[in-house]
Amino acid sequence: AQKVTQAQTEISVVEKEDVTLDCVYETRDTTYYLFWYKQPPSGELVFLIRRNSFDEQNEISGRYSWNFQKSTSSFNFTITASQVVDSAVYFCALVPTDSWGKLQFGAGTQVVVTP
Amino acid sequence: KAGVTQTPRYLIKTRGQQVTLSCSPISGHRSVSWYQQTPGQGLQFLFEYFSETQRNKGNFPGRFSGRQFSNSRSEMNVSTLELGDSALYLCASSLDGQGAGDTQYFGPGTRLTVL
Repeated sequence: AQKVTQAQTEISVVEKEDVTLDCVYETRDTTYYLFWYKQPPSGELVFLIRRNSFDEQNEISGRYSWNFQKSTSSFNFTITASQVVDSAVYFCALVPTDSWGKLQFGAGTQVVVTP
Repeated sequence: KAGVTQTPRYLIKTRGQQVTLSCSPISGHRSVSWYQQTPGQGLQFLFEYFSETQRNKGNFPGRFSGRQFSNSRSEMNVSTLELGDSALYLCASSLDGQGAGDTQYFGPGTRLTVL
């Protein structure tokens, strides 16, 4: 069975501060994919990044960066110089390669950015 | 390219009724997955369809069913509605070019309220 833990329920920051969201996962599969999605108040889940279990390179996309560490089963997400538009719920998810379409989501972390 | 569309966006039903939700995937996408999102249980996988066949199913009672048409459009049906079925129902589509780890793109969801 798979499990994704996002221990932080809510994080509040002031604009321009950095914020790091933690994601820890459990799986017995050797091959799997990890994802981050953003859910703004409108409700639609917006895809941010996909990473397979063989690719441990960190990635940076604008103000977003991801740190994948297989040794600690973590896939953390950092928003640099946060903005009010970053306010949303962020979900980490995992899918093993033999489980069609079944994303296992964490509980989500609410990020509140105030001006 | 148009995104995933879901209709209707909002629904109000009473206990015991049944409901059908519709999802049109991104053009060219062949896999459709459905998720239920509630404050208490979070995001939970319902089922996944590819080529009109259900390939995967979550832990939901038989009152929840779905189907996929030859044009990849999908519907899900909930019969004998219960108060606990009130939720945001999200549909996601993926290309299915790389198997289970394909990125899923989500629609805006259907907000179902059961009275």
